[in-house]
Amino acid sequence: NAGVTQTPKFQVLKTGQSMTLQCAQDMNHEYMSWYRQDPGMGLRLIHYSVGAGITDQGEVPNGYNVSRSTTEDFPLRLLSAAPSQTSVYFCASRGSGNTIYFGEGSWLTVV
Amino acid sequence: DQQVKQNSPSLSVQEGRISILNCDYTNSMFDYFLWYKKYPAEGPTFLISISSIKDKNEDGRFTVFLNKSAKHLSLHIVPSQPGDSAVYFCAASAFSNAGKSTFGDGTTLTVKP
Repeated sequence: NAGVTQTPKFQVLKTGQSMTLQCAQDMNHEYMSWYRQDPGMGLRLIHYSVGAGITDQGEVPNGYNVSRSTTEDFPLRLLSAAPSQTSVYFCASRGSGNTIYFGEGSWLTVV
Repeated sequence: DQQVKQNSPSLSVQEGRISILNCDYTNSMFDYFLWYKKYPAEGPTFLISISSIKDKNEDGRFTVFLNKSAKHLSLHIVPSQPGDSAVYFCAASAFSNAGKSTFGDGTTLTVKP
C-alpha cells in the first residue's frame, strides 16, 4: 500500500525556473492538498482539491498552480521559483474520515 | 493572527514520565482537533483526534483532553518512551472540512533514556 507518493524528494532550482512537484495517492481519496513547512513553523496550506476538476486556494497560494485531472494525481507547479519558496512541501489526502495522510515530503531549495 | 498556537517549542522529559503537550486555538468554528507526529525527513503521521462533543479521547499511551471553554487541548503521553521523541503538531478544523486543517508550529519532544 503506497499511500501518498511525492516526487522528487530533493530539488535545487535557480531563481526564475519553473518545476512541478508530483503527488499521487492510491487510496481513492477525493480530498487532496499541498502544504509547505518552513523551519520552526507549522504546515501552511497552499492549495487543495475536493475532487477531480475542483481546486481552491489555501492560506499561501501565491506563486503556485495546481490542477486535478484525475482522482489519483495532484501536481503542484511553481511558475517562477523564488528563494522565498525554499521549503519542504507535503502532499496530503483525506478519505471519508477526517484523518489526513501525508507524503514523505519534497525538499526544495531555490538559489 | 495565528489561530492555532503551540506555545512551547520544545519539551524534554525522562523516560517513563508523563509528557504533556499543549495547544490553544482562537477560532470558535473549530470543532475537530488532531495531533500529528513527525520524525525528521518524514511526513507527519496521524496520532489521535478528538471532536468537540467529547472532552477526552484515549488510545493506548496517548490521551487528548479538550477544554472548549478555554479553547485549549493537551496531549498526554504516559509513559514516555525514547521512540516518542519527535515533533508534535496540533491541528484544528471544522469537522465538515477536516482536510483544510490549521496547524500549530509544533513542539519538539525529547524523551531521555
